[in-house]
Amino acid sequence: DGGITQSPKYLFRKEGQNVTLSCEQNLNHDAMYWYRQDPGQGLRLIYYSQIVNDFQKGDIAEGYSVSREKKESFPLTVTSAQKNPTAFYLCASSIATGSFNQPQHFGDGTRLSIL
Amino acid sequence: AQKITQTQPGMFVQEKEAVTLDCTYDTSDQSYGLFWYKQPSSGEMIFLIYQGSYDEQNATEGRYSLNFQKARKSANLVISASQLGDSAMYFCAMRVDDMRFGAGTRLTVKP
Repeated sequence: DGGITQSPKYLFRKEGQNVTLSCEQNLNHDAMYWYRQDPGQGLRLIYYSQIVNDFQKGDIAEGYSVSREKKESFPLTVTSAQKNPTAFYLCASSIATGSFNQPQHFGDGTRLSIL
Repeated sequence: AQKITQTQPGMFVQEKEAVTLDCTYDTSDQSYGLFWYKQPSSGEMIFLIYQGSYDEQNATEGRYSLNFQKARKSANLVISASQLGDSAMYFCAMRVDDMRFGAGTRLTVKP
């Protein structure tokens, strides 16, 4: 089945540690996105990528980094510079940024907590 | 700049009744898309319905319909014949280039 796979489902981070969240899609979508969701709140854009080897910062990029070496994959690294990383992280993809009539499709999310 | 506003943090509805979830938006772009997503307690985001800025007819998908009033910049979601499984967070979103989400409305369906 086509879809977006995020792993792991739950992740724990120690102080000073970098962790990487995986996001893989087999929908052949060009654009991929990372969102952060805090309890009871909406989604905030961290990074997005429209094409391989290119990505742009969203509204809350500080303390995060991404790469887009393959069309199917868009991993997110939460660095030690992100002082409040506890949140629910959602990865999404869509046909193309700029296609305003295309929905984004989401993975099941990763819950990150501080140990 | 794009902005999405959902003014109802929580809503209650009796099973089998209809409910309207409010959404207003602001953009200077003429071409945009409006979307509604459902987020159950498990966390996944489920796409429900889409309305384009040039669409004259209101969108419908099964029990979901979108009441689009362009002059008022509103895109309210109507759920007819509510079911217990409709209890979830509902997010309104607008897309010009990237997608912007509202703060969400938590809907609780009472038996």
